[in-house]
This record gives sequence, C-alpha cells and structure tokens, in this order.
Amino acid sequence: RKEVEQDPGPFNVPEGATVAFNCTYSNSASQSFFWYRQDCRKEPKLLMSVYSSGNEDGRFTAQLNRASQYISLLIRDSKLSDSATYLCVAYNAGNMLTFGGGTRLMVKP
Amino acid sequence: DADVTQTPRNRITKTGKRIMLECSQTKGHDRMYWYRQDPGLGLRLIYYSFDVKDINKGEISDGYSVSRQAQAKFSLSLESAIPNQTALYFCATSSSETQYFGPGTRLLVL
Repeated sequence: RKEVEQDPGPFNVPEGATVAFNCTYSNSASQSFFWYRQDCRKEPKLLMSVYSSGNEDGRFTAQLNRASQYISLLIRDSKLSDSATYLCVAYNAGNMLTFGGGTRLMVKP
Repeated sequence: DADVTQTPRNRITKTGKRIMLECSQTKGHDRMYWYRQDPGLGLRLIYYSFDVKDINKGEISDGYSVSRQAQAKFSLSLESAIPNQTALYFCATSSSETQYFGPGTRLLVL
C-alpha cells in the first residue's frame, strides 16, 4: 500500500464548479501536509500547507482529518487555469516529503 | 533568473552509457534532493543531502550515485543507464518543510 494515496482522476468539471479531492495517508506519525500543483511537463510548486486547523487561501480550502488520516482540497469557482495535477504530500520526521501519485483536474469552458 | 536550475533539460542516451545530471541553486539552502517521476507513481526520492559531504539514500537509490560538490550544487549520476531509468528527474532544495523544485530533466534511455 502506498504511503500517500490519491484518486488519479481525471476530474472533468465545468468552469465555475466546485470540486473536491481527497487524499489518504498511512503514516500516523506524519507531522504536516501540503498540496502541490504541477502543470503538464513542469515542476511541482507549493499550493498550500495543511495544518490541524485547516487552511483557506482564496478559492482554495484544505482540511486535515487526523482521526481518519485524510486530507482534502476544495476548489470553488473553478477556472480554466486551475487545470493541473494536484499532489498530496506528507512531511515526516527526518525532513522527508512523501508524495501521492497526483489527481488530475481538467476544467472545461 | 531561476533559483533552481537543472542541466540538461532533455537527454537521450543508450543503455550502458554513463550520464550525469546537474543541479544548481541560488537559494542558499543546505538541503538538496533528487527525485524521479513516473506516470502514476508520483515523485520518488533517489538521494538527498543536508550539507556538503552529507549523502543519504532515498527510496530508490539502486543504479544511481550523487555528489554534493558545494552547497549550491548536487549532481546525480547513472553509472550504466538502463531503459527503466527513463523518467522525469527533478532536483529540489529546502531550508524547512517547503521544497523548491528545478524545472526537471527528461531522460530517455534507449
């Protein structure tokens, strides 16, 4: 079983829609979590951090449920430019990041 | 100018050849990492270094070696390339939890 698991998608949604991704992790000792965004053929870039109290940044909301060991990302009012792959990432002791396989989002006009 | 650079950006090589991928950073970070990315598998850690002369194996180090020549430089070598090392390779740096990635090197081993 992979340490960080995501539904690979693709999620195909119309512009303006709300879409949510979930991610599960198996290492209960993971200290913190992140969502990275990766455009096709580009490097991953940090989208937002996820802490125990959750985090909101404009149209993006990230939540952490430690009891169930899952993280979510909610995107409201989807834009065409949101089309990308979203990587769920766990930060573990020893300064290591463990990446999920990514969830692909395609926003259509 | 980019903070993390990788050379070459694309490379085609033949089975058995030795190849080196270079990474440089201007962020002043002590920690540097090499990952490979394959479709559906996400990024997997090959090697990492927390300082000059510090080298640590990651999840998939077999078939690879690294050198941390200076704080700003971390190179990855494939001593004898094989086709299943065809992948997208990323270098990253960090000073804390957040990692900053280079633009990637697309490697094809024939």
